[in-house]
Amino acid sequence: KNQVEQSPQSLIILEGKNCTLQCNYTVSPFSNLRWYKQDTGRGPVSLTIMTFSENTKSNGRYTATLDADTKQSSLHITASQLSDSASYICVVSGGSSNTGKLIFGQGTTLQVKP
Amino acid sequence: GAGVSQTPSNKVTEKGKYVELRCDPISGHTALYWYRQSLGQGPEFLIYFQGTGAADDSGLPNDRFFAVRPEGSVSTLKIQRTERGDSAVYLCASSPTGPKDTEAFFGQGTRLTVV
Repeated sequence: KNQVEQSPQSLIILEGKNCTLQCNYTVSPFSNLRWYKQDTGRGPVSLTIMTFSENTKSNGRYTATLDADTKQSSLHITASQLSDSASYICVVSGGSSNTGKLIFGQGTTLQVKP
Repeated sequence: GAGVSQTPSNKVTEKGKYVELRCDPISGHTALYWYRQSLGQGPEFLIYFQGTGAADDSGLPNDRFFAVRPEGSVSTLKIQRTERGDSAVYLCASSPTGPKDTEAFFGQGTRLTVV
């Protein structure tokens, strides 16, 4: 079964600290992996997208890694800010060759405190 | 338009009623997706349109749910005989050509509450 599992489910950190969110997936075949940020009451917004051949990609203070052999990804947030408080969702595109099913993880809720 | 627009942003309806949720995708995007997100969960796939046709509707939970995209742009998700379990945020996304696009753009969602 194609699944995406994220950990931790929730996380509280102090402003200025770093954190790392984890994503494991069993989707096969694999097309790409995306990390989205979802603010409360808003739609998801893409942070990074990685294909099979990419193992790291950065977007400002966000750095995603991908290990396609172990089917694991991480999202590292550096020097956190209060505005980073949101849900971070790992999404894998793959499975059947032409399906619209982006397979979503359940998300990690990050709270950054002053 | 500049982004994906969904209306209404909030909808409260009584159990058993019929509702329609609207999605205006980014102009020129041929692919349109509907997802449902329950509280504390990631979005779940409902249906994917390629142009006017539903290329994959395997995520629709039952025959009370139906979606159309008659002119290949605006889409309407229709829910008949609503149940309290239908309460969720319904998200719409669009992308330029299809699932292999590297980016899908999401609307802000419609929060449906069935009382």
